[in-house]
Amino acid sequence: QSALTQPASVSGSPGQSITISCTGTSSDVGGYNYVSWYQQHPGKAPKLMIYDVSNRPSGVSNRFSGSKSGNTASLTISGLQAEDEADYYCSSYTSSSQGNVFGTGTKVTVL
Amino acid sequence: QVQLQQSGPGLVKPSQTLSLTCAISGDSVSSNSAAWNWIRQSPSRGLEWLGRTYYRSKWYNDYAVSVKSRITINPDTSKNQFSLQLNSVTPEDTAVYYCARSSGYYYEDWGQGTLVTVSS
Repeated sequence: QSALTQPASVSGSPGQSITISCTGTSSDVGGYNYVSWYQQHPGKAPKLMIYDVSNRPSGVSNRFSGSKSGNTASLTISGLQAEDEADYYCSSYTSSSQGNVFGTGTKVTVL
Repeated sequence: QVQLQQSGPGLVKPSQTLSLTCAISGDSVSSNSAAWNWIRQSPSRGLEWLGRTYYRSKWYNDYAVSVKSRITINPDTSKNQFSLQLNSVTPEDTAVYYCARSSGYYYEDWGQGTLVTVSS
């Protein structure tokens, strides 16, 4: 099972918006509305930020939003803040496994 | 608020068995709506789902193809926890191991992570 493809790094200034892409195939991202996104600070466990493409769990800031088009999902962070600096991972249901496939990860830097 | 607390050794010798436990508070391992997963993370393999156990009138287990011949995940209802056993480990199994709860196609609660190093 191949990992989903994400850019290695994305950066932005405080207050700006950034978008992280996550590219898969019709067997995962493109075939189902089951994409999730995770934020991970150094030395910490991943934290669920978005599930089912565009839903936010309770307590997650509405500055985080998700979308999908074809085989590519996207996470947008608006009003970028210093605390948003972290690694971000996408994940998707896949028809080839009972567990999700994860993305390669994107390091977000706040300039 | 679900909390997952992991325990287990951080160093395992090659060819031996890696064993970790995840204690659950705020939910039940026998829940009919949750699944209990093990996921690992390493620089070479990234985040990798390993397997899960869940109860739907009876117990089920699913495992990743990459570890299917070596892995066992067991629930312990008396202690409200679940465990991971990975046999015949090699240095390639060195990773941070996480337990996680899922109630859909996502992982909403995670343990704190355990760095397991496979080395003699």
